[in-house]
Amino acid sequence: NAGVTQTPKFQVLKTGQSMTLQCAQDMNHEYMSWYRQDPGMGLRLIHYSVGAGITDQGEVPNGYNVSRSTTEDFPLRLLSAAPSQTSVYFCASRSSVYNSPLHFGNGTRLTVT
Amino acid sequence: SQQGEEDPQALSIQEGENATMNCSYKTSINNLQWYRQNSGRGLVHLILIRSNEREKHSGRLRVTLDTSKKSSSLLITASRAADTASYFCATDDLRSWGKLQFGAGTQVVVTP
Repeated sequence: NAGVTQTPKFQVLKTGQSMTLQCAQDMNHEYMSWYRQDPGMGLRLIHYSVGAGITDQGEVPNGYNVSRSTTEDFPLRLLSAAPSQTSVYFCASRSSVYNSPLHFGNGTRLTVT
Repeated sequence: SQQGEEDPQALSIQEGENATMNCSYKTSINNLQWYRQNSGRGLVHLILIRSNEREKHSGRLRVTLDTSKKSSSLLITASRAADTASYFCATDDLRSWGKLQFGAGTQVVVTP
């Protein structure tokens, strides 16, 4: 089992460019989510999905889009990158079993210049 | 806005000592979870305590939960250099299942 796999590990974008951060999990988890981690602020939820075809906004959704066409994949799209989106992005998944923990990928470090 | 707030922000101890960190939160919860993050890696789940539990143990970890004070503590006993990491508490809010909210974390350094 690979768990949660994120690609790429590092990315540098120029302001205004778009890109997609990939996330895949092989644990058949219904729930998937995207967080961003900034120094001193912990992790903040961007978007999440409780199953294929269902997505919802988290705490900081502006500037990001998601879709969930399969159980395994949950890509995060930056529509027009801004320096404020410089951050480390984590994808996480969990089972729908009550009180199950999150499983995290190793993150994508994004710099927007 | 953050739900959990950890205290202290940073902790430096020697191998063999115990490390204690605290987490306070604001709303009613289903459970509270603790995660560890090593430098440059994703978070790893350590332990989950349900709202109707007061204490839980896992190896060298001991977690307490006081729902009346809306606080939790994580104790790592007999710490090792490999325990050097950031530790985060996360709350599973009663009103919004699955949307775990994380605190800013406690950075722990264990020196040999």
